[in-house]
Amino acid sequence: QKEVEQDPGPLSVPEGAIVSLNCTYSNSAFQYFMWYRQYSRKGPELLMYTYSSGNKEDGRFTAQVDKSSKYISLFIRDSQPSDSATYLCAMSSSRTGTASKLTFGTGTRLQVTL
Amino acid sequence: DAEITQSPRHKITETGRQVTLACHQTWNHNNMFWYRQDLGHGLRLIHYSYGVHDTNKGEVSDGYSVSRSNTEDLPLTLESAASSQTSVYFCASSAGRPDQPQHFGDGTRLSIL
Repeated sequence: QKEVEQDPGPLSVPEGAIVSLNCTYSNSAFQYFMWYRQYSRKGPELLMYTYSSGNKEDGRFTAQVDKSSKYISLFIRDSQPSDSATYLCAMSSSRTGTASKLTFGTGTRLQVTL
Repeated sequence: DAEITQSPRHKITETGRQVTLACHQTWNHNNMFWYRQDLGHGLRLIHYSYGVHDTNKGEVSDGYSVSRSNTEDLPLTLESAASSQTSVYFCASSAGRPDQPQHFGDGTRLSIL
């Protein structure tokens, strides 16, 4: 069983929809949780970062972490065609957090249609 | 602007050959990482370095090596290329603070025939 599970999709939604992306994990030592966005033929770029449990909001994006359930989510409000990309969750148990070894999910491909 | 560049962007080679992929960053970051990305597996860590002359094995290090002689560069070498190493390879760097992101290059697409 993989340490981090993520539905690969593809997930297709109409423009303006609310998108929910999720990952589950098995390693209770994970403390840092990230969402990366990856456009086709490009490297991943950090979208959201949270430490431990709770919510974090940045514009149209909200990241949630539920450590008791070992479940993290990314919500995208008012989705745009430019949000079409692959979204990767990533986690770290190191005290150096996002700067250290990361364990990634396989990524969910999102398509936002006009 | 600071950046991280990988070269070549595409490479085709034959099994058994030695291959070196270059990674150069101008962020002046101490931490550098090599990942491979394959369908169904996501990004998997190959090797990483926390500073000059420091190297560490990641999850899938067999058949790969790295060396860190300066801050800017972390070349990845495939000693004897195998078809199972056909993949997209990403290099990343970070400042070392817990809340700082890893910055990724745009990848090298490597095909081993």
